[in-house]
Amino acid sequence: ETGVTQTPRHLVMGMTNKKSLKCEQHLGHNAMYWYKQSAKKPLELMFVYSLEERVENNSVPSRFSPECPNSSHLFLHLHTLQPEDSALYLCASSQEAGLRSYNEQFFGPGTRLTVL
Amino acid sequence: SQELEQSPQSLIVQEGKNLTINCTSSKTLYGLYWYKQKYGEGLIFLMMLQKGGEEKSHEKITAKLDEKKQQSSLHITASQPSHAGIYLCGAVLAFSGYSTLTFGKGTMLLVSP
Repeated sequence: ETGVTQTPRHLVMGMTNKKSLKCEQHLGHNAMYWYKQSAKKPLELMFVYSLEERVENNSVPSRFSPECPNSSHLFLHLHTLQPEDSALYLCASSQEAGLRSYNEQFFGPGTRLTVL
Repeated sequence: SQELEQSPQSLIVQEGKNLTINCTSSKTLYGLYWYKQKYGEGLIFLMMLQKGGEEKSHEKITAKLDEKKQQSSLHITASQPSHAGIYLCGAVLAFSGYSTLTFGKGTMLLVSP
């Protein structure tokens, strides 16, 4: 596997379910990101991890819980979601987290989430 | 209002025709990235522009950055069906904290045979 991979590619869940999204990067990067892409809205940054430490949390509801066990893996744990949480969830990685600068991000293919 | 506006929102062009997509920022641009996305898939990096007046080309796609106007344009020459997709601009708007990109809503391009 190369680049950034995400599993599953598609997920349908009920509002009472608990599920997890997985992201893995094979680029040797130190920073990882979760984005949400909803229809007719700009891509929204959710979380930023640098060296396994969460450094940014953009007012994301607590029903989304990220986990970064090591610099290659990132999870997004989902519980009691709402239908409006249905979206494409994209993971990205970069060499560093870019404090006061920007490091090019490489994106995964995304997980299409539908909440019923 | 949005920090990064893309126009047009969608575009249908005949194969072989030229087209331009614009990205305008309400704030100072420190860097501008263009990505292409096929529906429901991840973002594919196209080009990065950092300096005012900078222009980059790759195959039939040219991107320019007008720093004074806080604007970037993406021009496709002699469009082909393979150019179809959603084009997203992402900008570095600030250097405070952990900078990431602010994205526009995207421009959906369809190329008809």
